Amino acid sequence: SQKIEQNSEALNIQEGKTATLTCNYTNYSPAYLQWYRQDPGRGPVFLLLIRENEKEKRKERLKVTFDTTLKQSLFHITASQPADSATYLCALDERNYGGSQGNLIFGKGTKLSVKP
Amino acid sequence: KAGVTQTPRYLIKTRGQQVTLSCSPISGHRSVSWYQQTPGQGLQFLFEYFSETQRNKGNFPGRFSGRQFSNSRSEMNVSTLELGDSALYLCASKAGPNTDTQYFGPGTRLTVL
Repeated sequence: SQKIEQNSEALNIQEGKTATLTCNYTNYSPAYLQWYRQDPGRGPVFLLLIRENEKEKRKERLKVTFDTTLKQSLFHITASQPADSATYLCALDERNYGGSQGNLIFGKGTKLSVKP
Repeated sequence: KAGVTQTPRYLIKTRGQQVTLSCSPISGHRSVSWYQQTPGQGLQFLFEYFSETQRNKGNFPGRFSGRQFSNSRSEMNVSTLELGDSALYLCASKAGPNTDTQYFGPGTRLTVL
């Protein structure tokens, strides 16, 4: 079965630096991969989606890359701020490996702390 | 547009009881999915509903069930509660089954004693 690993449970960085979070998956490449932000006690908030035929996607200070050879996605936050502190989740769509479109498998998340 | 709303926000039940959680999707959204989030297992897919029909189901026991109404509002039910059912239950809506971006509600925090 498909597995997702977000390599770090926690990441601490200094304000102004670039935060890089990793998401690795096994088996088949997903049709797309999504990144979410989740604050304590709240539901995840959608940030970015990158499709299997895309290598990179940007939105303001956020950048996502997708390497189907390495079976990996990297999520970057440039010029990080204390307000970026949250848990970041990656999620894959199951349709490419026998599942249905809309079934998302989530990683367990990386808790990012940005220190002033 | 109002976001996804879930009621109640917090709930305390005892083992053996049953519980019903409610979700109102974003106006115009017809697809609703439910997830369970625990510290140990993370976010896990429960089921998805579209047009009052269950489209997909995750790997959960039959004690977990759901339904969707004609106005797209959805409920999920857990019968014979177990301690391990304590979790944050999240509902997410999207415009339709072929839409990729979904929007989550704030969740219902269920505690089973």
